[in-house]
Amino acid sequence: QVQLIQSGVEVRKPGASVKVSCKASGYTFTNYGVTWVRQAPGQGLEWLGWFTAYSGNTKYAETLQGRVTMTTDTSTNTAYMELRSLKSDDTAVYFCARVAGNGDYYFDYWGQGTLVTVAS
Amino acid sequence: QSALTQPASVSGSPGQSITISCIGTNNDVGGYNYVSWYQQHPGKAPKLMIYGVSNRPSGISNRFSGSKSGTTASLTISGLQTDDEGDYYCTSYTGYSFWVFGGGTKVTVL
Repeated sequence: QVQLIQSGVEVRKPGASVKVSCKASGYTFTNYGVTWVRQAPGQGLEWLGWFTAYSGNTKYAETLQGRVTMTTDTSTNTAYMELRSLKSDDTAVYFCARVAGNGDYYFDYWGQGTLVTVAS
Repeated sequence: QSALTQPASVSGSPGQSITISCIGTNNDVGGYNYVSWYQQHPGKAPKLMIYGVSNRPSGISNRFSGSKSGTTASLTISGLQTDDEGDYYCTSYTGYSFWVFGGGTKVTVL
C-alpha cells in the first residue's frame, strides 16, 4: 500500500534552516510528483510547492521563493523540503503528499506531518 | 495567488444535507476542472474526498458529492453523520504548476 513517512519533530532558532524528509513506499516513486503543504497552529492549509522526479521540475509558492528547496533522492524514494532563514511564522506542521498521476492535479496520499517549531 | 473563499463554518443535524461552497476566479476554479476536497480531523493529515470536481476516490462514501458552476465549487454531504465532523478544504489547480487552497470550513453535526 502507498505510504509516505515523514521525519520527526524539529525545533530551530530564527534564522536557521530545517530539512524535512518524506520516504515513499508502495508505488513507483519516479512516476509521481510530491507536493508540500503546511498548516500553522489553528490555521488552514497552505500550498508550498512541488517537485516532479520524472521531469526534475519544481514550482514554489511565491511567498517562499528564495527560501525553500524541494528535492528527491530516487535511490531511497525520499523527498526533501528545506526551508532557510526561518522565522517564527514558519512554525507549522509540514505535510508531504503524492500528486496523482495521469495528468490529474490532486493529492491522493499524505504523510503524517512534521511539526517544525521556530523559537528563540 | 489569493486563497479560495469558503464559509468558516457549516452545521447540520444528523441525517440532513449540507453544502460547502468554494469561491474562486477564472484563473483557478473557473478555469480548470481540477477542484479537489479534503477532510481533516484534529491532529490528522488531510484525506482526499473528491477530485476532478466530482469524482470520489475508492472507499469514499457516495454521501459525498462535488459540483461546480462557474467560479464556485461545492461539496455536499448528505445523510450527515457524527464522524463527518471536521475541517474541509477545497483546492484548485491554477495552471503553471501552482495550486491554491481555500481557507477551510468547520463542519459541526448538531
